[in-house]
Amino acid sequence: SAVISQKPSRDICQRGTSLTIQCQVDSQVTMMFWYRQQPGQSLTLIATANQGSEATYESGFVIDKFPISRPNLTFSTLTVSNMSPEDSSIYLCSVEGSGYEQYFGPGTRLTVT
Amino acid sequence: GQNIDQPTEMTATEGAIVQINCTYQTSGFNGLFWYQQHAGEAPTFLSYNVLDGLEEKGRFSSFLSRSKGYSYLLLKELQMKDSASYLCAVDTGGFKTIFGAGTRLFVKA
Repeated sequence: SAVISQKPSRDICQRGTSLTIQCQVDSQVTMMFWYRQQPGQSLTLIATANQGSEATYESGFVIDKFPISRPNLTFSTLTVSNMSPEDSSIYLCSVEGSGYEQYFGPGTRLTVT
Repeated sequence: GQNIDQPTEMTATEGAIVQINCTYQTSGFNGLFWYQQHAGEAPTFLSYNVLDGLEEKGRFSSFLSRSKGYSYLLLKELQMKDSASYLCAVDTGGFKTIFGAGTRLFVKA
């Protein structure tokens, strides 16, 4: 199994600012995924990040709002740009396991005031 | 469209058996996941069903009927630590997984 860490674990930000979330994996992985989980809601895939290529965004998510970096096989960042209160959520990164399962990071709890 | 339905909340008694149902309608289907998520924690993998039928793994079992778009998670000998949200999720292919909203299970003494 993969061990995933995220920084920060939580943050309170003012509207209009940006926050970059870091995701570190203890092994090399091809694909990393970024999800959002709003209170009481399901996990929603934001984008898939492959090392060495542009991230692939899901419907409703755009690169200008959620730029992603994937500089190597163990690390990725997600930036939430020009934040509004609607961006308050938990952001999770995940990677695929050896089978079909995904391993998730502990999440970053973001509150935008 | 993509739709995954599961009950919002369930309550069961310690030592009992509980069944959490999930129905889905998705544009693609490779398999169905169940994840457990304790409050404030990341989801953890429980099971993955590809073929119809029941798969048992200790106290947890998962059932799939592809023709009916239906799955359930069966938890036996409930323990207090089983209080958590249980997420049904469909692997639609292309490395894309769609999650249901989750069923919050409360286990009472």
